[in-house]
Amino acid sequence: DAGVIQSPRHEVTEMGQEVTLRCKPISGHDYLFWYRQTMMRGLELLIYFNNNVPIDDSGMPEDRFSAKMPNASFSTLKIQPSEPRDSAVYFCASSLASRWTGSAREQYFGPGTRLTVT
Amino acid sequence: RKEVEQDPGPFNVPEGATVAFNCTYSNSASQSFFWYRQDCRKEPKLLMSVYSSGNEDGRFTAQLNRASQYISLLIRDSKLSDSATYLCVVNSPPHSNSGYALNFGKGTSLLVTP
Repeated sequence: DAGVIQSPRHEVTEMGQEVTLRCKPISGHDYLFWYRQTMMRGLELLIYFNNNVPIDDSGMPEDRFSAKMPNASFSTLKIQPSEPRDSAVYFCASSLASRWTGSAREQYFGPGTRLTVT
Repeated sequence: RKEVEQDPGPFNVPEGATVAFNCTYSNSASQSFFWYRQDCRKEPKLLMSVYSSGNEDGRFTAQLNRASQYISLLIRDSKLSDSATYLCVVNSPPHSNSGYALNFGKGTSLLVTP
């Protein structure tokens, strides 16, 4: 079975440019998550969706970041304009719905997009 | 205070050794607990879920102490291939009725040497 698919795997761009990261979750999963990982801050949740609807975007750093999920098999994370401090590895993950309220199922991660903004 | 705290290590152990990692979490309402493993420049991968009664998977044993809000991972008979960063993960029942947000610790680095 295909896991979570992300593209591109590497992105190098100049400050001020728009960056779009893409994710295809595991088929049948109800939840999709976007994370950012840096050495300093570790893995941070940016936003997550349930059945294509954004549930919590409180982790999105600022208005330069936006995420969409137009259908169950595709999501994008856009940064416009990009800045050097956005350099990080961006992971997408997906999971099934939990069996009961207040709990969470395990998440499966894509290989990540390594973003470098110069 | 961070929601999930781990000793960053690194832990350097010889092959065959037993090593234990600990983790504390701050949200007493958390209900789901996991250990993930992350290899260098790779994505985090689920190692095991952690259940209230404790659970074992081969050489790996996970324990949960809800009263102390403490989770542990024990690795017996360490292999060179166990070298990785181990992430303690706890869900965070938030303001809404959904507990799907997962909080990841910053990880504990393990190096198993010959």
